[in-house]
Amino acid sequence: AQKITQTQPGMFVQEKEAVTLDCTYDTSDQSYGLFWYKQPSSGEMIFLIYQGSYDEQNATEGRYSLNFQKARKSANLVISASQLGDSAMYFCAMTPAGGTSYGKLTFGQGTILTVHP
Amino acid sequence: KAGVTQTPRYLIKTRGQQVTLSCSPISGHRSVSWYQQTPGQGLQFLFEYFSETQRNKGNFPGRFSGRQFSNSRSEMNVSTLELGDSALYLCASSLKGPGGFPYGYTFGSGTRLTVV
Repeated sequence: AQKITQTQPGMFVQEKEAVTLDCTYDTSDQSYGLFWYKQPSSGEMIFLIYQGSYDEQNATEGRYSLNFQKARKSANLVISASQLGDSAMYFCAMTPAGGTSYGKLTFGQGTILTVHP
Repeated sequence: KAGVTQTPRYLIKTRGQQVTLSCSPISGHRSVSWYQQTPGQGLQFLFEYFSETQRNKGNFPGRFSGRQFSNSRSEMNVSTLELGDSALYLCASSLKGPGGFPYGYTFGSGTRLTVV
């Protein structure tokens, strides 16, 4: 079974500053994928970034980077130069490769990020 | 390229009724997953379909069912609605990579179901 823990229910950041959202995971799978999604108040889940357990380099997508520390089982999201439009709920999720977990993402509880002007 | 389309966006149903939600995946995506999102339980996996076959199922009662058509469109059905079924229902489609590992999951905007 997989478990995702996001310990920060809410985070506040000043516009143009960087912020780190924490995510730790637990799994017995050797191969897995880690994802971050953004959910604005409209409800849509927007894909931000993906990290495979076999990737040696941290993933980056524009202003988003994933600080992957496999030994510590952490996959923190770093948002640089925060913008007002970044205010939303952020979810960390994971899925094992293949096996019987087709299509199943395990999500954390989410972190509400508020960006102040 | 069209995204994942879910219809309807909003629904209000009475307890005891049944409801059908629709999800059209991204063209070429053959896997469709469904999730229920509530404030108390968060995001929970319902089931996944691939090529018209249910390959995986979450821990939900039999009142929750689904199917997938030959064009990969999927529907989920909830019978005998209960107040606790009020939730945002999200579907996601994915494309399998060379190693069988999904590249990622693209979600629709969801259907917000209210049971009164």
